[in-house]
Amino acid sequence: AQSVTQLGSHVSVSEGALVLLRCNYSSSVPPYLFWYVQYPNQGLQLLLKYTTGATLVKGINGFEAEFKKSETSFHLTKPSAHMSDAAEYFCAVSDRQANAGKSTFGDGTTLTVKP
Amino acid sequence: NAGVTQTPKFQVLKTGQSMTLQCAQDMNHNSMYWYRQDPGMGLRLIYYSASEGTTDKGEVPNGYNVSRLNKREFSLRLESAAPSQTSVYFCASRQTQGSTGELFFGEGSRLTVL
Repeated sequence: AQSVTQLGSHVSVSEGALVLLRCNYSSSVPPYLFWYVQYPNQGLQLLLKYTTGATLVKGINGFEAEFKKSETSFHLTKPSAHMSDAAEYFCAVSDRQANAGKSTFGDGTTLTVKP
Repeated sequence: NAGVTQTPKFQVLKTGQSMTLQCAQDMNHNSMYWYRQDPGMGLRLIYYSASEGTTDKGEVPNGYNVSRLNKREFSLRLESAAPSQTSVYFCASRQTQGSTGELFFGEGSRLTVL
């Protein structure tokens, strides 16, 4: 069984400040890890993913995340927040099976960016 | 670039009415999924179809049925709607073989049951 915990349902930062959204996971096998972003009244879109190899992965819009196996974490960061980053962010884990490969999502973190 | 298309985008039902949410993808993906999204609860899997001709229950299947009509289309049916089914429903798809598991989502169907 796999699970995802996102620490903090709401995070507020000032424009230009560091963004840090936390995600911890539980999985019985090495997982694939994802961050998705959801803008108001839209579906989710992939921000970045970790599959194998380099543990620091870069995504769209200047976001990056680091896979830390020892801490079972996959925290999302961005050095300088922009107003357009205001959205809801979901961390997800997927098993590596070739079939089905269901994804499990965290409860989401709403990011507010203050001017 | 249509991707995943859901219809309708909005729907209001009365308790006990039935309706079907339609989903189609044009990416030749094998697997398709229906999720519901409720405030503070993330996305919960209702049903999924790993390949054409197969469907399986997810985390919250009660009150729903699905049909994988063909490789492109995966519909979700509410036979007798209840207020607890007021939610935003998302269809998603992904490739299976050789995939790294990322999902492609539709824009959502917002359902209100009165």
